[in-house]
Amino acid sequence: QKEVEQDPGPLSVPEGAIVSLNCTYSNSAFQYFMWYRQYSRKGPELLMYTYSSGNKEDGRFTAQVDKSSKYISLFIRDSQPSDSATYLCASLYQGGKLIFGQGTELSVKP
Amino acid sequence: SAVISQKPSRDICQRGTSLTIQCQVDSQVTMMFWYRQQPGQSLTLIATANQGSEATYESGFVIDKFPISRPNLTFSTLTVSNMSPEDSSIYLCSVDGGGRARDTQYFGPGTRLTVL
Repeated sequence: QKEVEQDPGPLSVPEGAIVSLNCTYSNSAFQYFMWYRQYSRKGPELLMYTYSSGNKEDGRFTAQVDKSSKYISLFIRDSQPSDSATYLCASLYQGGKLIFGQGTELSVKP
Repeated sequence: SAVISQKPSRDICQRGTSLTIQCQVDSQVTMMFWYRQQPGQSLTLIATANQGSEATYESGFVIDKFPISRPNLTFSTLTVSNMSPEDSSIYLCSVDGGGRARDTQYFGPGTRLTVL
């Protein structure tokens, strides 16, 4: 079992839709959770990070962590074609090691 | 967030040769990391590089294959030695966010390596 599981998609939605991206993790020691966006042929860009359970909102993006079920979510409201990218969830392990999910490829159609 | 650059951005190399990838940060950082992203896969940590000490390698990665240098707080290199086609990947360096964001990491643009 991978420590962080993520549906690779691809996921295709129309412009303006609400997008829900999800990950599960297995290690209860994980406390910090991050979402990265990676455009084709670019490095990952940090979108959001959260500590422990709860919600964090930044503009059209909301990150949600439920530690009781080991579930991580990213919601994108009013999705735009420019949101088309691969989204990677990650959990921080000891020593600064990030454990990544496989990434979900998102396509927002105009 | 720190601005991170990598050189080269891409390269095509012959089997059996070595390539050194450079990572430069515009501010001093404590921890630098090297990741590999194989085609169609997610990122895997190769090693952690702290200034003034030997790099710490993850399981499956060894110093002879991936020697790392960290001469100061803004620079690191990763060498991919005796390359084979299986080493074709994107290699990325990252740095910790520092201060209140020290539990986050920011990534460079990556080096796309193709081994023939």
